[in-house]
Amino acid sequence: KAGVTQTPRYLIKTRGQQVTLSCSPISGHRSVSWYQQTPGQGLQFLFEYFSETQRNKGNFPGRFSGRQFSNSRSEMNVSTLELGDSALYLCASSLVQGAGSKETQYFGPGTRLLVL
Amino acid sequence: AQTVTQSQPEMSVQEAETVTLSCTYDTSESDYYLFWYKQPPSRQMILVIRQEAYKQQNATENRFSVNFQKAAKSFSLKISDSQLGDAAMYFCAYRSAWDLNRDDKIIFGKGTRLHILP
Repeated sequence: KAGVTQTPRYLIKTRGQQVTLSCSPISGHRSVSWYQQTPGQGLQFLFEYFSETQRNKGNFPGRFSGRQFSNSRSEMNVSTLELGDSALYLCASSLVQGAGSKETQYFGPGTRLLVL
Repeated sequence: AQTVTQSQPEMSVQEAETVTLSCTYDTSESDYYLFWYKQPPSRQMILVIRQEAYKQQNATENRFSVNFQKAAKSFSLKISDSQLGDAAMYFCAYRSAWDLNRDDKIIFGKGTRLHILP
């Protein structure tokens, strides 16, 4: 079974630009969540999508947005990039079964974004 | 707001020994999930174990088990028969059971770096 894929793996952008990151979940997983990891702030939750609907959103400015497509693939977009947006962006796909009693979750390898 | 605290930034354990990583959290909610994640040097995050707050029974996954004390808001991870491949950063995480657009929906601790000594 193919794992969670994230593209691109590495990205260098300059301040003010925008970026789109992509995440393809494991087949059959309808839930996709995004996280930002930085040395200073640690791991922070960005948003979660389920069946094309944003179910939860963390405390990030409106420059951060996302969406999920009918095939469960998800994209996140960051507009007007700032230096502080440099981070590892992780995506996870999840499958919950048995009325929530069992959860399978896999992470992608991440996209490392550097903003200059 | 929910918080998650991992008080041990770094720990070391001898190979084949048992080690316990601590995690405490604070919440006013009664329904939530707790997780331990492992992030090795490759940065590939792995879900180690999941605990539902309404279940009194401690979750186990092979050599990994938790000691969930709901009243004390404590959620420690025990690794038995430590192996070299267990060396990683371990993150404790809290997730509210409710769908909310709040920044404390999912909260991670700062992590504990675990070294395995051969």
